[in-house]
Amino acid sequence: SAVISQKPSRDICQRGTSLTIQCQVDSQVTMMFWYRQQPGQSLTLIATANQGSEATYESGFVIDKFPISRPNLTFSTLTVSNMSPEDSSIYLCSVCEGITEAFFGQGTRLTVV
Amino acid sequence: AQSVAQPEDQVNVAEGNPLTVKCTYSVSGNPYLFWYVQYPNRGLQFLLKYITGDNLVKGSYGFEAEFNKSQTSFHLKKPSALVSDSALYFCAVRALGAGNMLTFGGGTRLMVKP
Repeated sequence: SAVISQKPSRDICQRGTSLTIQCQVDSQVTMMFWYRQQPGQSLTLIATANQGSEATYESGFVIDKFPISRPNLTFSTLTVSNMSPEDSSIYLCSVCEGITEAFFGQGTRLTVV
Repeated sequence: AQSVAQPEDQVNVAEGNPLTVKCTYSVSGNPYLFWYVQYPNRGLQFLLKYITGDNLVKGSYGFEAEFNKSQTSFHLKKPSALVSDSALYFCAVRALGAGNMLTFGGGTRLMVKP
C-alpha cells in the first residue's frame, strides 16, 4: 500500500490569497488525483495529474483557479488561487495503480475568512 | 457515466446490533467497488473492495460487503456494531477504461449508540 503525506493538514487563509498543498507518495505512481470535499458533502474529483503532462480537469474546475504541478512520480502540488470563503473545504490527494484500491492523504482542511 | 447512490444520509444503530449501510451503483461493464471510512479530521481509510470472485467480501474492522450484480448493489455490513464504528462511510465505483477515476457516493453517517 502507498503512504501519502499531505501538508499542510489545515490552514486558515485570508480571501484573495493562494495556498499550495503538497502531496508526497512513498512510491512511484503514474496517476495522482486531487479531490475536494466541501462541508458535509462527498468527494468531487478536481483533476488528474500525470507526470510530464498537463493535468486533466473535471467539469467545473479550471487551471487558473486550481493550478497543479507534477514534477516527478512521487510528488504533486495543488494551488487554490484567489481564495474565497466558498473554497473552504477539505482537499485530498489520492493515488491508485491498476485495479487496486485508491490511497488517500490525510487531507488539508482549508478555511477561508 | 458511472454513478453511486447511498440512499441513507444517516444510519442509527445500537451497539451490539447488526448494521447495514446501503450502496447501489451504475456503471458500464464490470464494476470495481470499494468502501471507505472517514473519521473526523481524517482522510479516507480503505475498508474493502470487490474486484471479482466471491460475492461476499471481508474487510477491515470486521466489516463485510455483498456484491449483488442483479440488484447492482454493494451493501456494507457488520454483525455487531461498536460505538467506535461511528463515522462517515463512502461507497465508490470504478470501471475499466475509466482512467482509474473513482466515483463516490454521497456518504452515509453511521451513528452507533451505547
